[in-house]
Amino acid sequence: QKEVEQNSGPLSVPEGAIASLNCTYSDRVSQSFFWYRQYSGKSPELIMSIYSNGDKEDGRFTAQLNKASQYVSLLIRDSQPSDSATYLCAVNRGRGSTLGRLYFGRGTQLTVWP
Amino acid sequence: EPEVTQTPSHQVTQMGQEVILRCVPISNHLYFYWYRQILGQKVEFLVSFYNNEISEKSEIFDDQFSVERPDGSNFTLKIRSTKLEDSAMYFCASSPAGETQYFGPGTRLLVL
Repeated sequence: QKEVEQNSGPLSVPEGAIASLNCTYSDRVSQSFFWYRQYSGKSPELIMSIYSNGDKEDGRFTAQLNKASQYVSLLIRDSQPSDSATYLCAVNRGRGSTLGRLYFGRGTQLTVWP
Repeated sequence: EPEVTQTPSHQVTQMGQEVILRCVPISNHLYFYWYRQILGQKVEFLVSFYNNEISEKSEIFDDQFSVERPDGSNFTLKIRSTKLEDSAMYFCASSPAGETQYFGPGTRLLVL
């Protein structure tokens, strides 16, 4: 059973704060890691992808990957009320192959209050 | 910016009826996927499709489900005899190279 676990939330932070979202995965052969944002009733929207250990920054978002600990996180700096959504961690065993199945966590609901 | 599109946005059907959900993946993408999300639950993989054949399917994707790419642009999911538990949001996704997947807006299916 390939599990992706996320902290249950909900997570509530004030505007301008840093939001930290965490995810662990059970399958050691996982190669590709993604963070999606999902607004209520909408589809997952890709925010970040990360494939190598370390940090990857894109604007206000930083993804961190530690394959030894089977851990991936997302930091959102200068959080805005528009960041309020459910954040989904997704994991893929393959990379650039037909093993494209994404395993999703249940998501962490983030609320940014003004 | 190119997007995955899906039709219809909502579908209501009677139990036992057949439904076809349609998707137009992003042009020049080669990998196509269907996922579903039952209300309040996690997004679940159904099937992936590459080079005109199924490359992987989940335990959910049983004989009542089928996929087809009838022409160069459409990608369809057929549910032959719908059950109440098939009520969910169905998402199509596409990927240029089997890595990053871009999701369509979804079809909300309600089986009565």
